[in-house]
Amino acid sequence: SQKIEQNSEALNIQEGKTATLTCNYTNYSPAYLQWYRQDPGRGPVFLLLIRENEKEKRKERLKVTFDTTLKQSLFHITASQPADSATYLCALEGDYKLSFGAGTTVTVRA
Amino acid sequence: DGGITQSPKYLFRKEGQNVTLSCEQNLNHDAMYWYRQDPGQGLRLIYYSQIVNDFQKGDIAEGYSVSREKKESFPLTVTSAQKNPTAFYLCATSKGQGTQETQYFGPGTRLLVL
Repeated sequence: SQKIEQNSEALNIQEGKTATLTCNYTNYSPAYLQWYRQDPGRGPVFLLLIRENEKEKRKERLKVTFDTTLKQSLFHITASQPADSATYLCALEGDYKLSFGAGTTVTVRA
Repeated sequence: DGGITQSPKYLFRKEGQNVTLSCEQNLNHDAMYWYRQDPGQGLRLIYYSQIVNDFQKGDIAEGYSVSREKKESFPLTVTSAQKNPTAFYLCATSKGQGTQETQYFGPGTRLLVL
């Protein structure tokens, strides 16, 4: 069956450090992978889209990698700040829809 | 959230009652979606619509119904057949119909059963 797995444990890091989140998938062959940010009680907000032929994509302090051989995407937040505290969701394109992982909650300590 | 409104923010349902969640958008997007979010789980697709007067079931459509009579509006009715409706409901839109399209989400409606 199809499965999307993100870090099951919440991530607690010190301000200024790099947070690395993992998104692993099985039985998908996505041409695209997206990352969203969700704050408590609010809807997700789109951050980045990476295509299967792009190994890496950057946006300000965010970096995403996509390894179709490993069936994995890594999401990095560099020079993290308390304002980066949120839940981060990965989403894969499937047959007719986007499928979302359960998310990883990141808390950045000042 | 901008451009997508969901109301109400909180909704209480009594046993046997149907309730309707509103979703309105002014982004002129073709596609609209309804998701359900439960703690510790990913978003699950209930229904989606790629064009006015047409919609398709998602993964968990049982106990729900929708309509798409206008491009701007995609209301979701939670019927009494949905036995476990307590969840956070999110409406989303995308400009086009492809799965590579970015989705834009509304602020959500939290449904609670009395």
